[in-house]
Amino acid sequence: EDQVTQSPEALRLQEGESSSLNCSYTVSGLRGLFWYRQDPGKGPEFLFTLYSAGEEKEKERLKATLTKKESFLHITAPKPEDSATYLCAVQVTGANNLFFGTGTRLTVIP
Amino acid sequence: NAGVTQTPKFRILKIGQSMTLQCTQDMNHNYMYWYRQDPGMGLKLIYYSVGAGITDKGEVPNGYNVSRSTTEDFPLRLELAAPSQTSVYFCASSLPWNYNSPLHFGNGTRLTVT
Repeated sequence: EDQVTQSPEALRLQEGESSSLNCSYTVSGLRGLFWYRQDPGKGPEFLFTLYSAGEEKEKERLKATLTKKESFLHITAPKPEDSATYLCAVQVTGANNLFFGTGTRLTVIP
Repeated sequence: NAGVTQTPKFRILKIGQSMTLQCTQDMNHNYMYWYRQDPGMGLKLIYYSVGAGITDKGEVPNGYNVSRSTTEDFPLRLELAAPSQTSVYFCASSLPWNYNSPLHFGNGTRLTVT
């Protein structure tokens, strides 16, 4: 059965304290892995897509990496405005939808 | 540049009532989706459509119906609402997957069934 697990469920960081969020997956065939950011009361906002092991993508303080079993979202020197829930999703080969993890709720304290 | 627009933002229904959640997109995307999001659970796919006149079930379709008569609109119908349908509903759209297109989401409809 296809499965996506995100950890930790919640993470509190001091401003400037770098850390990583994990997304591990077990799927029959990975076509792509997606990271989204979701603010309270809003829909998920697209951040990155990764397609193959070893691939990396960066945007401001965020960097996403992919291996054959998991993806990491690294947050460097976070700011309070980075506080949000970060969602990981996979697209399985041949499927017409994304399969989502439960998310990591990040709080960055000034 | 509206993207994906969902209405209403909030709704309270009594058990057994019906309603339609509206979704429209202005990006000329072929693919559209309905997800529900419950606390502590990942987004679950209800229905999706790959083009006008074509719809298919997702993981949790029971109690819902959809139609797709135009590229822009993809309404979700709830018949005989039940408390288990209390959730936040998100509509999304994308280009076909061979374009390596991400999903673009609306801001959701929060539905309470009492």
